Amino acid sequence: GQSLEQPSEVTAVEGAIVQINCTYQTSGFYGLSWYQQHDGGAPTFLSYNALDGLEETGRFSSFLSRSDSYGYLLLQELQMKDSASYFCAVRDYKAGANNLFFGTGTRLTVIP
Amino acid sequence: DVKVTQSSRYLVKRTGEKVFLECVQDMDHENMFWYRQDPGLGLRLIYFSYDVKMKEKGDIPEGYSVSREKKERFSLILESASTNQTSMYLCASRPGGATGELFFGEGSRLTVL
Repeated sequence: GQSLEQPSEVTAVEGAIVQINCTYQTSGFYGLSWYQQHDGGAPTFLSYNALDGLEETGRFSSFLSRSDSYGYLLLQELQMKDSASYFCAVRDYKAGANNLFFGTGTRLTVIP
Repeated sequence: DVKVTQSSRYLVKRTGEKVFLECVQDMDHENMFWYRQDPGLGLRLIYFSYDVKMKEKGDIPEGYSVSREKKERFSLILESASTNQTSMYLCASRPGGATGELFFGEGSRLTVL
């Protein structure tokens, strides 16, 4: 089976940097994704890491270490609109198709 | 832009009723998924389909079935709704190939009384 661990809540100050960690256990690991979900909204894709290293997209970066079964999402220059839930998800191979298995989410609160 | 449309945003049903949740995507994606989302439990996969008429069980298929008669449409069926199926249901699609990106619909909030 699969398991994912991420903190349930994080609070950070506007303008600061915050890191949300994710550790995973899965068989047939292909990659790690990150999603953002605002209250009442649909999850939206942020990033995907298949190889070790850092991927940067604007204020958001995502890191993966396959040997450590670990990744993180880094949010820089935090804005109030970044207050949302963030989910890591592992892509693994199951029953002939590629699935995403989601963590339970980290609720980020950005304070002035 | 990819659009995934779920037919109902809010539904209220009674225990024992049969419930249909419809999902349509307009980008010719091979893969479609049904998740349910509950507080503290994240998103859990109910069923997925990687082709027309193909379906595979996810992590929590009990009490649910699915239908995919056309590529663009993936339906979730609750044969006899129960109160523990009160939840937010999210449909998603993804093209074939090496990607971790799912495109989600806005969700259907189902309340079973």
